[in-house]
Amino acid sequence: AQSVTQPDIHITVSEGASLELRCNYSYGATPYLFWYVQSPGQGLQLLLKYFSGDTLVQGIKGFEAEFKRSQSSFNLRKPSVHWSDAAEYFCAVAPVSGGYNKLIFGAGTRLAVHP
Amino acid sequence: DTAVSQTPKYLVTQMGNDKSIKCEQNLGHDTMYWYKQDSKKFLKIMFSYNNKELIINETVPNRFSPKSPDKAHLNLHINSLELGDSAVYFCASSQGGGTTMDTQYFGPGTRLTVL
Repeated sequence: AQSVTQPDIHITVSEGASLELRCNYSYGATPYLFWYVQSPGQGLQLLLKYFSGDTLVQGIKGFEAEFKRSQSSFNLRKPSVHWSDAAEYFCAVAPVSGGYNKLIFGAGTRLAVHP
Repeated sequence: DTAVSQTPKYLVTQMGNDKSIKCEQNLGHDTMYWYKQDSKKFLKIMFSYNNKELIINETVPNRFSPKSPDKAHLNLHINSLELGDSAVYFCASSQGGGTTMDTQYFGPGTRLTVL
């Protein structure tokens, strides 16, 4: 069955520190990969996505993610976290082989940022 | 300008009641979606419409009935509400035919509480 695992439920970092949020997927083939952020009381905003090509993907707000096929991972990174990055982060996958846009989400990682 | 809007933002109601949540997008997108986010923040797709035609219908109780009067609107009607329906419901939209390469844009969510 298709699934997305985000092993860390909560992460706390200090402002200015680096960040890595983990995402692993289980799929028949390499899917399309996405990271979304949900700020408190807000909807989800797309940070970045990977379809093919360069395995290091740049997104908005200074985020990047690296696709590693051998590890079935798509980890999100940011070199220096800002207090405004405190939010819930969701990794998601979607099938490549056509069909409709059924995003499958992980359970999310809540990021807290200490001043 | 709000791209994807939902009304109401909060909805508190008694078990057994019937309620509707409305969604509107002004992005000119052809495809709209409803997602349910449970108390553990787990997001799951419920329905998707492309140009008023149902294209995704996940395993959702018959008490849930989406209606798309035009491609800019997708409403969700829920009959005989149950405690387990308490969740945050997100509407989303995407351009094109709803394929997996289309970026989905999410609304702010409607928090439904069933007492």
